[in-house]
Amino acid sequence: EVQVVESGGGLVQPGGSLRLSCAASGFSVDVNYMSWVRQAPGKGLEWVSLIYTGGSTFYADSVKGRFTISRDNPKNTLYLQMNSLRVEDTAVYYCARGIGYFDCWGQGVLVAVSS
Amino acid sequence: DIQMTQSPSTLSASVGDRVTITCRASQTISDYLAWYQQKPGRAPKLLIYRASTLEGGVPSRFSGSGSGTEFTLSISSLQPDDFASYYCQQSKTYPYTFGQGTRLEI
Repeated sequence: EVQVVESGGGLVQPGGSLRLSCAASGFSVDVNYMSWVRQAPGKGLEWVSLIYTGGSTFYADSVKGRFTISRDNPKNTLYLQMNSLRVEDTAVYYCARGIGYFDCWGQGVLVAVSS
Repeated sequence: DIQMTQSPSTLSASVGDRVTITCRASQTISDYLAWYQQKPGRAPKLLIYRASTLEGGVPSRFSGSGSGTEFTLSISSLQPDDFASYYCQQSKTYPYTFGQGTRLEI
């Protein structure tokens, strides 16, 4: 079965850091385009970042320079390193597979940034 | 950035109704448009991609159309399971952007 499972969320103070993980099964992250998408409480969806199969990366302006997407091919896991976190980064973060459209989503992990 | 605007924001309907949700892009996106369904507390689910291609396993009562800047998602005969929020998303250029969502309620 194709699935992804996120982990690593939690409560962090403004200015802090957190690393999210997304463990994939049923497919390989190194031959698939992978993204992070977030959803603030009660709000809509916001694309955050994408990594190509070749390793190129893309970011939303709101996180550029603070967040880094990466993957560990042997572990078949996608990551999102989040630094200099802000209150407005509070959201459920989803890992999703695909380019152009996302056909496999995780259950999401909550990141709460608050003092 | 390309702005995606959905209408209506909320749609009240009944089981058996046919409903249509509209999504407009602030600039032409060809057919690089996807539709998702999301239920409370759940991840989004892909319904349609490339504006009109039905994702595998999605009931045929869902259909999508449009190109350029105007797109529609139609549900031919609402079922109880269809009451949820719906989002459009463009992938013509980065950053990918979503519409603000349409809540379909009874």
